Amino acid sequence: DIQMTQSPSSLSASAGDSVTITCRASQNIDNYLNWYQQSPGKAPKLLIFAASRLQSGVPLRFSGSGSGTDFTLTVSNLQPEDFATYYCQQTYSAPLTFGGGTRVEI
Amino acid sequence: QVHLVESGGGVVQPGGSLRLSCAASGFTFNNYGMHWVRQAPGKGLEWVAFIRFDGRDEYYRDSVRGRFTISRDSSKSTLYLQMNSLSPGDTALYYCAKDRGNSNWNYLTNWGQGTLVTVSS
Repeated sequence: DIQMTQSPSSLSASAGDSVTITCRASQNIDNYLNWYQQSPGKAPKLLIFAASRLQSGVPLRFSGSGSGTDFTLTVSNLQPEDFATYYCQQTYSAPLTFGGGTRVEI
Repeated sequence: QVHLVESGGGVVQPGGSLRLSCAASGFTFNNYGMHWVRQAPGKGLEWVAFIRFDGRDEYYRDSVRGRFTISRDSSKSTLYLQMNSLSPGDTALYYCAKDRGNSNWNYLTNWGQGTLVTVSS
């Protein structure tokens, strides 16, 4: 199985800040990397697919980059609604695996 | 507008069975692969199973293979997860999710609100 390691596991930031979350795969996954946001008590929401492509309707302050084994999610100009947990997911091979999550506290 | 509504969760004793359902609307169900993903209380997301748009292929995580069966009924636009030989480690909120396309998996574009399964004596 491909292991996905996210860091940090949690972070604190203020509104207006930029934050970067990293995700490392245990083997090459090309760009088969997606990012999801889960607000408290809510279902996950797709933010980024194929490492860097923004899902329709997602604000431009979210961006993703990377390829191979190392990926990043950047949230610029943090807004109060960005308080959430963020998960990366690889869809290179089954079993599809998620990172452990990064909790962003505003 | 895509709408996914899970049902069928509840409390079950270890060794018991449950069948989860996910009623889909707002899109052509037959054209998309579907997933089940679970989340244990206070924990992260864990992918469980995937079924192709045409139902011809199924994929499972190792810990549920042989105990869980994913299926779909195109006439009812409904996804199912039959869960047998349940153990406390299966306790979780179970989400169904729509895939982006009709090939093997791509990414999960829409999620339901989940149904809670609790395995306890």
